[in-house]
Amino acid sequence: NAGVTQTPKFRVLKTGQSMTLLCAQDMNHEYMYWYRQDPGMGLRLIHYSVGEGTTAKGEVPDGYNVSRLKKQNFLLGLESAAPSQTSVYFCASSYEGAIRNIQYFGAGTRLSVL
Amino acid sequence: DQQVKQNSPSLSVQEGRISILNCDYTNSMFDYFLWYKKYPAEGPTFLISISSIKDKNEDGRFTVFLNKSAKHLSLHIVPSQPGDSAVYFCAAHNIFGQGTELSVKP
Repeated sequence: NAGVTQTPKFRVLKTGQSMTLLCAQDMNHEYMYWYRQDPGMGLRLIHYSVGEGTTAKGEVPDGYNVSRLKKQNFLLGLESAAPSQTSVYFCASSYEGAIRNIQYFGAGTRLSVL
Repeated sequence: DQQVKQNSPSLSVQEGRISILNCDYTNSMFDYFLWYKKYPAEGPTFLISISSIKDKNEDGRFTVFLNKSAKHLSLHIVPSQPGDSAVYFCAAHNIFGQGTELSVKP
């Protein structure tokens, strides 16, 4: 029972490099989310998706792009990484909109941008 | 402006005693609140929730209290166990607090 799987678990980038973080869920959830966690800031929503082919901006979307080509996958892209994007990134999914529904989280991706 | 705030970054309690974790919110439209627990190197996991039509919800050792007039909720853990040591986040409408790191000493 995999739940939400994030790859990679760790990554080090140089400023200006690009990368894609992959999130996969096997629970047939409609909603998926990307958060970043920084010290003293809690979890902040980057982008989210309410279904296959849809994406929407969250609280801190600048510098990131996302795609939801398949229902089970939600990709987070950094086109030109900056040191300010050093963070731990969490993907989550939920059956419906998370206001009243539990979100299931992946184990996180720790990203360092040098 | 932080709409969900956890003003205590850390809390240390003795095993067997009560742990009380606090959370404040500013948006009176929030009508559902969740608590998540996070261990190191893992993602948050759901712990307990409460609807604004209630003032208390209990699940085993965990109880969440909601005071709508004060825009305040609290999570009580009784009795606290070393395995409860983790970071606890309160959340409302996809907005998370900063988290409180609970340490339960044997």
